[in-house]
Amino acid sequence: DAGITQSPRHKVTETGTPVTLRCHQTENHRYMYWYRQDPGHGLRLIHYSYGVKDTDKGEVSDGYSVSRSKTEDFLLTLESATSSQTSVYFCAISEFAGDNQPQHFGDGTRLSIL
Amino acid sequence: GNSVTQMEGPVTLSEEAFLTINCTYTATGYPSLFWYVQYPGEGLQLLLKATKADDKGSNKGFEATYRKETTSFHLEKGSVQVSDSAVYFCALSDGGEKLTFGTGTRLTIIP
Repeated sequence: DAGITQSPRHKVTETGTPVTLRCHQTENHRYMYWYRQDPGHGLRLIHYSYGVKDTDKGEVSDGYSVSRSKTEDFLLTLESATSSQTSVYFCAISEFAGDNQPQHFGDGTRLSIL
Repeated sequence: GNSVTQMEGPVTLSEEAFLTINCTYTATGYPSLFWYVQYPGEGLQLLLKATKADDKGSNKGFEATYRKETTSFHLEKGSVQVSDSAVYFCALSDGGEKLTFGTGTRLTIIP
């Protein structure tokens, strides 16, 4: 299994509070991704990173920010959480971009915002 | 833009039945196609892939053939087991950094 650790695995918090999710990898892969998984939507890309301090938006980036100060860590921050951000969040990594590079996924973080 | 359409679930089958999960796609150019599987409480795992037309991906008894003429990549297995119960996602890559996923199909196998 790819060495990907997401923390925390579960979190319950209140509307308006800041939340940070962490993805840590031990594979030294260049690319890292944050997705959210919701019923009826599959996985949707929030943000991704193609190197240290290099990030870009995905299709559902509003309300989220990311940072990557080290190759191994990719942080997802909800500055002021809303109930619509209740979801399961997955981190993924890949060594290269392109057709033959599958993404490897962490086990997810279940986030509930009350 | 790119999109993936998957068969609506949930799908319930008896053990040893034949499985088909339909997947069609819309993309410019010649995408690569993937099937991922998600077991309860876990992240997604790559099940199989195909990178060009008429390629067949296979793994663990599952197969899917890249059909450019019908823009399809249907997942099949000849005899399912209880351990195949999971959610299956079809996805495509257009060669860039991103994957586009379908909505997922939940499969339950009854003994």
